[in-house]
Amino acid sequence: DTGVSQDPRHKITKRGQNVTFRCDPISEHNRLYWYRQTLGQGPEFLTYFQNEAQLEKSRLLSDRFSAERPKGSFSTLEIQRTEQGDSAMYLCASAGTSGRNSYEQYFGPGTRLTVT
Amino acid sequence: TQLLEQSPQFLSIQEGENLTVYCNSSSVFSSLQWYRQEPGEGPVLLVTVVTGGEVKKLKRLTFQFGDARKDSSLHITAAQPGDTGLYLCAGADRGSTLGRLYFGRGTQLTVWP
Repeated sequence: DTGVSQDPRHKITKRGQNVTFRCDPISEHNRLYWYRQTLGQGPEFLTYFQNEAQLEKSRLLSDRFSAERPKGSFSTLEIQRTEQGDSAMYLCASAGTSGRNSYEQYFGPGTRLTVT
Repeated sequence: TQLLEQSPQFLSIQEGENLTVYCNSSSVFSSLQWYRQEPGEGPVLLVTVVTGGEVKKLKRLTFQFGDARKDSSLHITAAQPGDTGLYLCAGADRGSTLGRLYFGRGTQLTVWP
């Protein structure tokens, strides 16, 4: 079990550019979540997939943000026309569906985005 | 909107001391999870509590879920420098076991040798 992986770990971009992040969940997990964390805050929910279906989106997810999970395995999060306010740590988590463990979400190391 | 309030926000203690951090809400949660996060890394799951009144122990860490499933506490006995980190509590909405987690802002713990 290699855990949740995210790529890249760090991204510096100029305002107005597009960026895309990738998340590979734990292999047997069918649920995948994206969260955003800014300094001094806990993670805030962005969106959630069960298999390839996007089941829930936060109001934080403006129309500049789009997430996909085309084959129910890895997921991508794209931010178009980045703004300085998008600077944050973007976290991916995955979870299974069996029994008590269905409550538990396991996080990746995150992608630190800096918009200059 | 943060539904979970954590206290204290910062805690700085000497090695060997005991401490308790709190996680409170006016909402009922179906489960509550505690995570520890190091700088520049993702949160690492420590424990999940599901039943009101549940107590779980993980070595020197004791976690308790309130009877009404609205609050939780984390007690550390004989803290060590390796316990330093940001402790986050996160609740899953009542009626939803599979959806989003709501996080508190965390308690930043520093244990000095």
